[in-house]
Amino acid sequence: EVQVVESGGGLVQPGGSLSLSCAASGFTFFSSKMHWVRQAPGKGLEWISYIDSSGRAITYADSVKGRFTISRDNTKNSLYLLMNSLRAEDTAIYHCVREGVENYNFDSWGQGTLVTVSS
Amino acid sequence: QSALTQPRSVSGSPGQSVSISCTGSSSDVGGYNYVSWYQHHPGKAPKLLIHDVSMRPSGVPDRFSGSKSGNTASLTISGLQADDEADYYCCSFAGSYHPYVFGTGTKVTVL
Repeated sequence: EVQVVESGGGLVQPGGSLSLSCAASGFTFFSSKMHWVRQAPGKGLEWISYIDSSGRAITYADSVKGRFTISRDNTKNSLYLLMNSLRAEDTAIYHCVREGVENYNFDSWGQGTLVTVSS
Repeated sequence: QSALTQPRSVSGSPGQSVSISCTGSSSDVGGYNYVSWYQHHPGKAPKLLIHDVSMRPSGVPDRFSGSKSGNTASLTISGLQADDEADYYCCSFAGSYHPYVFGTGTKVTVL
């Protein structure tokens, strides 16, 4: 069974940092493109970052560019998101997502981990 | 990149059909045949319903169908069931610089 499980969320002060992890299982992680998608309270889904299977091609949404860093460790079947200079508007549930083999869609999602940025 | 526009809510009785529109621009919905749709029951992981405008992944009932005309994509749910009550989001590829944009989301209520 394809599974992605996020961890690392929590309460952090504005300006602080937090690192999220995603453990993947049930599929060939090393050949999969991966994404982070978030949902702020009462808001819709927002794509925030992409990494290709090798880790060499990376893209960010403008809202997080320069503050967030996506990475992966294919030896550990893990995806990461390092978040710096956090703002109140970064408060959201962060989902780890696998891109479908047909490409350009998101076929497997984790339940997400909640990040709250507040003083 | 602005979010794609969806109606805030739609509703229908069991057995009826409902359609959800997703309006973008020539830079996203109209420019690529990479529109996908997701069902999200709050507190659970979103689920892929449709990809590439109208393709259903294995296991998704054929009650769910997708289409596109110009800059507007649509999801139709036929034979509405109680479990279809959820939030639905469209998403479009929008080029290599700002790859993905989601819709504003639509809450489907089964009366």
